[in-house]
Amino acid sequence: GAVVSQHPSWVICKSGTSVKIECRSLDFQATTMFWYRQFPKQSLMLMATSNEGSKATYEQGVEKDKFLINHASLTLSTLTVTSAHPEDSSFYICSARRDPTDNQPQHFGDGTRLSIL
Amino acid sequence: KQEVTQIPAALSVPEGENLVLNCSFTDSAIYNLQWFRQDPGKGLTSLLLIQSSQREQTSGRLNASLDKSSGRSTLYIAASQPGDSATYLCAVRGSGGGADGLTFGKGTHLIIQP
Repeated sequence: GAVVSQHPSWVICKSGTSVKIECRSLDFQATTMFWYRQFPKQSLMLMATSNEGSKATYEQGVEKDKFLINHASLTLSTLTVTSAHPEDSSFYICSARRDPTDNQPQHFGDGTRLSIL
Repeated sequence: KQEVTQIPAALSVPEGENLVLNCSFTDSAIYNLQWFRQDPGKGLTSLLLIQSSQREQTSGRLNASLDKSSGRSTLYIAASQPGDSATYLCAVRGSGGGADGLTFGKGTHLIIQP
């Protein structure tokens, strides 16, 4: 079945550091990847939609200059949290979709727990 | 804007019981609905996907139903086991376009007592 790999699984770093998270589709090509964020005891919230070869679409309230998304190939999307601060500490998780008509179950990476000191 | 609500927020039952988790959504124009399981500190495991044209899906001890017109879905777990303990998430995909992400509920935290 489809597999989505996310790396790293855990990051602890100092305030002001930029952190890059990778999301890979391992056995299929994904025209669209999604980035979500989950705060403790909260639901997953969609941050942005990443389309291969074009700019990401950000949800309302998500700063595009803060959360840089690159989807340079059909198997890799990256999320960079720039100048991270403690309030950015959260669980970030990605998912991938083959194409807009894909009606199969959406698969997710294992997530990245980001802790900013 | 789509909103997804899950009831109850938490549930603790003895092993062996059958149970029902509820999910409701405000906009019935959905493409599909998916149930996930999330273990503490982990990612999501897809359990069942129901297309907007379907009424239910079954996988092993799990059965999910969908009533799109009333904006409701239920996840039925038969003969619960301690290994079923996890948070169960309901998510809907909108029908507005192919690039739609999922809208999630807050989940039901399930504990099955041995």
